[in-house]
Amino acid sequence: DTEVTQTPKHLVMGMTNKKSLKCEQHMGHRAMYWYKQKAKKPPELMFVYSYEKLSINESVPSRFSPECPNSSLLNLHLHALQPEDSALYLCASSQDFLGQVWGNEQFFGPGTRLTVL
Amino acid sequence: GEDVEQSLFLSVREGDSSVINCTYTDSSSTYLYWYKQEPGAGLQLLTYIFSNMDMKQDQRLTVLLNKKDKHLSLRIADTQTGDSAIYFCAENPNSGNTPLVFGKGTRLSVIA
Repeated sequence: DTEVTQTPKHLVMGMTNKKSLKCEQHMGHRAMYWYKQKAKKPPELMFVYSYEKLSINESVPSRFSPECPNSSLLNLHLHALQPEDSALYLCASSQDFLGQVWGNEQFFGPGTRLTVL
Repeated sequence: GEDVEQSLFLSVREGDSSVINCTYTDSSSTYLYWYKQEPGAGLQLLTYIFSNMDMKQDQRLTVLLNKKDKHLSLRIADTQTGDSAIYFCAENPNSGNTPLVFGKGTRLSVIA
């Protein structure tokens, strides 16, 4: 299984809602990532988990809360979002973090298209 | 800091070769990657090259690396309409704490 899955595919939420994005991989990868991608822009790194511990938080607002329940799962909890948070949220995984030994081939999921009203 | 530059647009005729260029700044980058993103989809890893290589070929794809000039290119032979997408170059710098640094992406349009 060389796939990263993400649910839901699309999400529309109001500014007062609480929702979660989910990501799963079964490749035995020990690093997992959340990216935010606006239209016609490259992905922007938000969070990195390495061995289920948060390794990088790229100064992301606290209304985004990541969680890594186990090595295969990564969640992104959303609360009190703003319309400017509307974007494609991509999850990725790689064999290890920073790739100093094995390289950092990141495998991406299809993304969740989030719209905040 | 790390920076990866790409031209934003490329238009080619079906059957021709496409060459997408990229420059990067971190000379200690160990791996360099090409990702493809079709509309509404995630990023698909196309190919990568290790920094001690000059060239890598994989079917229709050829990656050339000039370490001296910090220049990377992706050549797609016999370009097809299904190759229309955005292509992102990315480096894996040894310095800093960022796993991957992406370029802004090159939008390839293939004209039938």
